[in-house]
Amino acid sequence: SQQGEEDPQALSIQEGENATMNCSYKTSINNLQWYRQNSGRGLVHLILIRSNEREKHSGRLRVTLDTSKKSSSLLITASRAADTASYFCATDGGGATNKLIFGTGTLLAVQP
Amino acid sequence: DGGITQSPKYLFRKEGQNVTLSCEQNLNHDAMYWYRQDPGQGLRLIYYSQIVNDFQKGDIAEGYSVSREKKESFPLTVTSAQKNPTAFYLCASSIGSGTGGGWTDTQYFGPGTRLTVL
Repeated sequence: SQQGEEDPQALSIQEGENATMNCSYKTSINNLQWYRQNSGRGLVHLILIRSNEREKHSGRLRVTLDTSKKSSSLLITASRAADTASYFCATDGGGATNKLIFGTGTLLAVQP
Repeated sequence: DGGITQSPKYLFRKEGQNVTLSCEQNLNHDAMYWYRQDPGQGLRLIYYSQIVNDFQKGDIAEGYSVSREKKESFPLTVTSAQKNPTAFYLCASSIGSGTGGGWTDTQYFGPGTRLTVL
């Protein structure tokens, strides 16, 4: 079963603009991760935020987490054409395993 | 180079045939995973293994089988019992130390195998 849903499903912006995508999940979590997937390729880990953290930064990425609303957002600032990819959130479902539950993804297209 | 490899990149199968997808990692990770991805969708967990000689079913294990005889290898067999096997298959690995520790490992993914049933 899929825990998370990303919103929007697809997003098209111009280079230099900021891109924001959101993730909602259903159950309590220990942490939430964001991954990126270029077309036809494997996923690449971007950032992990723990349930006791509210915001985290990594380069041009900013992730927020609101556990009361069971939601997270990923902001990519000053986007580039190379940021074009699908972005997925993944949660651990709060369990004591290493299983991740992936959302449905946001397809981001950055126009040059 | 450390990493996780999958082969082949593209695989074509006739209906009724079993096929095995290879996944190898040299990251010294304990945990390995198999996911299925259908067009425009997220990843669904097929099987996972947290240690050699042990594995558990994921959400969509029917029609699939795995083995974990070596730490480095976690092959997936798509059997003829899998009704709709055409999909993109992704293998991943993680350190495996997060279990029960209140956090979950980062997963490292292979490049994927695209399976098409003719």
